[in-house]
Amino acid sequence: IQMTQSPSFLSASVGDRVTITCRASQGIRNDLGWYQQKPGKAPKLLIYAASSLESGVSSRFSGSGSGTDFTLTISSLQPEDFATYYCLQDYNYPRTFGQGTKVEIK
Amino acid sequence: QVQLQQWGAGLLKPSETLSLTCAIYNGSFSGYYWSWIRQPPGKGLEWIGEISQRGSTNYNPSLKSRVTISVDTSKNQFSLRLTSVTAADTAVYFCARHYSYGYGRFDPWGPGSLVAVSS
Repeated sequence: IQMTQSPSFLSASVGDRVTITCRASQGIRNDLGWYQQKPGKAPKLLIYAASSLESGVSSRFSGSGSGTDFTLTISSLQPEDFATYYCLQDYNYPRTFGQGTKVEIK
Repeated sequence: QVQLQQWGAGLLKPSETLSLTCAIYNGSFSGYYWSWIRQPPGKGLEWIGEISQRGSTNYNPSLKSRVTISVDTSKNQFSLRLTSVTAADTAVYFCARHYSYGYGRFDPWGPGSLVAVSS
């Protein structure tokens, strides 16, 4: 299953509302997670089951979608949110990631 | 809180075998799959494969002929072997816990191990 993220790059300001989308090449129910990765660090789980917030993750992150189209929203971008974001499907094998969305400071 | 620590050789020559081990602290093997994922420098993430407590494995077809993932439950560890490495295998390799019911839930992750392949 191919996971296509858009945009690949996003320039935004602190306080902006940011939306990243992920499209699966076939239906994956809600077997989708969103991850944040900062340079030199392992990815960090933000959202699982497409819309469930991982424990300890800020409520400004939210996810939605089911089937083939998914969205990650950051309601008010904070300085610590500048990072690269990936979606991941584990509906079937092989597990696949989106190509990533880099969020940079405007 | 479950933590993963990983280790292994960081510099290999072409045709050698990559070997990494991931240890699980404050957690159990049961009910999860244990995965390896890699990331070439400046690029995205690639799932390599996974193993269950019972030793059931699944691999990425792109690497299947060269990959072996094994588990040692007595030591709470699982390992990755990748044979016949080339420069294309240069990457940071992560281990991660994968919830067996799916939902895209991989957590936690190990810190990553940089493996460079160079003659």
